[in-house]
Amino acid sequence: GAVVSQHPSRVICKSGTSVKIECRSLDFQATTMFWYRQFPKQSLMLMATSNEGSKATYEQGVEKDKFLINHASLTLSTLTVTSAHPEDSSFYICSAKDERGRGDIQYFGAGTRLSVL
Amino acid sequence: SQKIEQNSEALNIQEGKTATLTCNYTNYSPAYLQWYRQDPGRGPVFLLLIRENEKEKRKERLKVTFDTTLKQSLFHITASQPADSATYLCALDLSNSGYALNFGKGTSLLVTP
Repeated sequence: GAVVSQHPSRVICKSGTSVKIECRSLDFQATTMFWYRQFPKQSLMLMATSNEGSKATYEQGVEKDKFLINHASLTLSTLTVTSAHPEDSSFYICSAKDERGRGDIQYFGAGTRLSVL
Repeated sequence: SQKIEQNSEALNIQEGKTATLTCNYTNYSPAYLQWYRQDPGRGPVFLLLIRENEKEKRKERLKVTFDTTLKQSLFHITASQPADSATYLCALDLSNSGYALNFGKGTSLLVTP
């Protein structure tokens, strides 16, 4: 199957700093990538849909100025958590659709554990 | 509102038995349904996709059924092994847009020797 690489796997930062998470599709091009957030024992919640060459689409309740998404190429999307606070501590996961087939399957990165002190 | 429910938070079974996990959804008619496996601290891994016109799908020891009348999918792992211990997530594209997936909370499966 297709491979999605997410980096870093874990980050600890001080409150008020910004953190950038990268999501790369390694062996396929992805015009669309997705960013999810998962709290302990909870489901994955979609935050935003990242579209190559255009603005991201954010889900209701997700602050676009706080979670900046850039999808500058067909293989890379980045999520920047700006001015992070302890309540932003969570597990962030990206995914990409492999559009070489029917495009129904999403391939996920390994996730980034963000801890804001 | 649209909902995806996985009926048990945790399931403990003995090695060699068949594990059966349930996914129910309401107020929607998805074109397909997917099952993923998630290990602690890792992203989900795709297992199987079943379309609305398919009743059953198999892959090695895995079997998925899809009953669009009952709005339910069953996920079976036969001859279960301790390595099958993980959380299993049911996922649907609730908007049927071909874009993002909506996930159930998952069922944590523990297979004991």
